[in-house]
Amino acid sequence: DTAVSQTPKYLVTQMGNDKSIKCEQNLGHDTMYWYKQDSKKFLKIMFSYNNKELIINETVPNRFSPKSPDKAHLNLHINSLELGDSAVYFCASSLLSGGGYNEQFFGPGTRLTVL
Amino acid sequence: GNSVTQMEGPVTLSEEAFLTINCTYTATGYPSLFWYVQYPGEGLQLLLKATKADDKGSNKGFEATYRKETTSFHLEKGSVQVSDSAVYFCALKVGGSEKLVFGKGTKLTVNP
Repeated sequence: DTAVSQTPKYLVTQMGNDKSIKCEQNLGHDTMYWYKQDSKKFLKIMFSYNNKELIINETVPNRFSPKSPDKAHLNLHINSLELGDSAVYFCASSLLSGGGYNEQFFGPGTRLTVL
Repeated sequence: GNSVTQMEGPVTLSEEAFLTINCTYTATGYPSLFWYVQYPGEGLQLLLKATKADDKGSNKGFEATYRKETTSFHLEKGSVQVSDSAVYFCALKVGGSEKLVFGKGTKLTVNP
């Protein structure tokens, strides 16, 4: 009965490769997010989708491309991986808050290591 | 812009000690404020929240009060346990945006 799941949990790859991280939520939420947590634990939003539509797109290299096939899934594809991409990537989901607040539920994270 | 500043860690306490983790914010507009907790090897979980001035959020013995005059949302617990060892994040959200803005996190270690 996992609420927000991510695969893989660990990903080790070489510089220059292309990789994808998958995220799925079974909470019936309509909004999903990708966050990056660096080695100092600093957490920053990258993207957000609402009903498959991109609503947040922070200053992220265009090597990163999110894809949302439906509102329960948000995948992150990364081209030409660089050493600086090494981080923990968290997926989250919520109902669209609008002017209020709806809790964001986080997945367990994917630790990406680029060698 | 919107930002959150947390006290630098790490913080190490003995069991049953009093905990304070300071958090101040800068926001355009009237933010909602949150504390999230990340236990080792896990994702973040919402610990407590406050949506307007003078609101007090509380959960699991933790408390934080939304102080508009000092733009602060300090986290407190009267008696910490070893199981409270985690990284604590202060965050804000401004109405109309889905974006959570996080502080840099404070690692808490509680020793028996």
